[in-house]
Amino acid sequence: GQNIDQPTEMTATEGAIVQINCTYQTSGFNGLFWYQQHAGEAPTFLSYNVLDGLEEKGRFSSFLSRSKGYSYLLLKELQMKDSASYLCAVRYGNKLVFGAGTILRVKS
Amino acid sequence: EAGVAQSPRYKIIEKRQSVAFWCNPISGHATLYWYQQILGQGPKLLIQFQNNGVVDDSQLPKDRFSAERLKGVDSTLKIQPAKLEDSAVYLCASSLGTGAGYEQYFGPGTRLTVT
Repeated sequence: GQNIDQPTEMTATEGAIVQINCTYQTSGFNGLFWYQQHAGEAPTFLSYNVLDGLEEKGRFSSFLSRSKGYSYLLLKELQMKDSASYLCAVRYGNKLVFGAGTILRVKS
Repeated sequence: EAGVAQSPRYKIIEKRQSVAFWCNPISGHATLYWYQQILGQGPKLLIQFQNNGVVDDSQLPKDRFSAERLKGVDSTLKIQPAKLEDSAVYLCASSLGTGAGYEQYFGPGTRLTVT
C-alpha cells in the first residue's frame, strides 16, 4: 500500500516553533505536498517538495529526504490562527495520496 | 480569480436515497478531482478527470457512485443509493494539469449526512 504516517495531534505555544513529521513509502514517489485545513474548510496549499532539502516560505518551511521517505513541515513564530490540521500528501504517479492529517493546537 | 465552486454546501438524506453534487473548477484547469473526506481522515481520491476523460476511478464504488464531466468543465458526482457510511465531506479540486508539480485547488466541499 501507500501508507502515509503523521502524528495525530500536537500542541504548541504561541510564538514557538513546531515540526510536523511525515513518513511515506518511497516506491513510486513523485513529489510531496503539505496542505493546511482549518476545521470545516477546504485544504489550502502550503508547500511542495520534489528534491531533497529545505524549501522556505515565510514562517513555513518544508524538508524532504527521498531516500528516507521522510518529510517535515516547520512552523515558526506560531500564531493562534495556525491551529488547524496539516495534511501530508504524496504523489504516486499522477495520483495524490493524503495522510490522515496532524491536528495542531496552538495555546496562548 | 474565482476559486472552485461546489453546491450544495450541506445535504442531509436518508439511506437508500439519491444525491448529486456539482462542481465548477477554476477556469482553464484541465484536471478535476473528486475526493471523499471522512471525519478524522485525509481526503481519499474517488475519481480524476483530464478534460472530459477519466484518468483514475480505481477507488470509486461504481455500484453506487457515478461521476461525469461533460464538455470538460463542470462535473457532477452522484450517489445512488446512499449508505450510512457515505456520510462525509465531498471535496472537488482542480489543477492546470496532471504533472508532478501541479498544485490542486480545493472547493469548500459538500457535507453529506446520511441518516
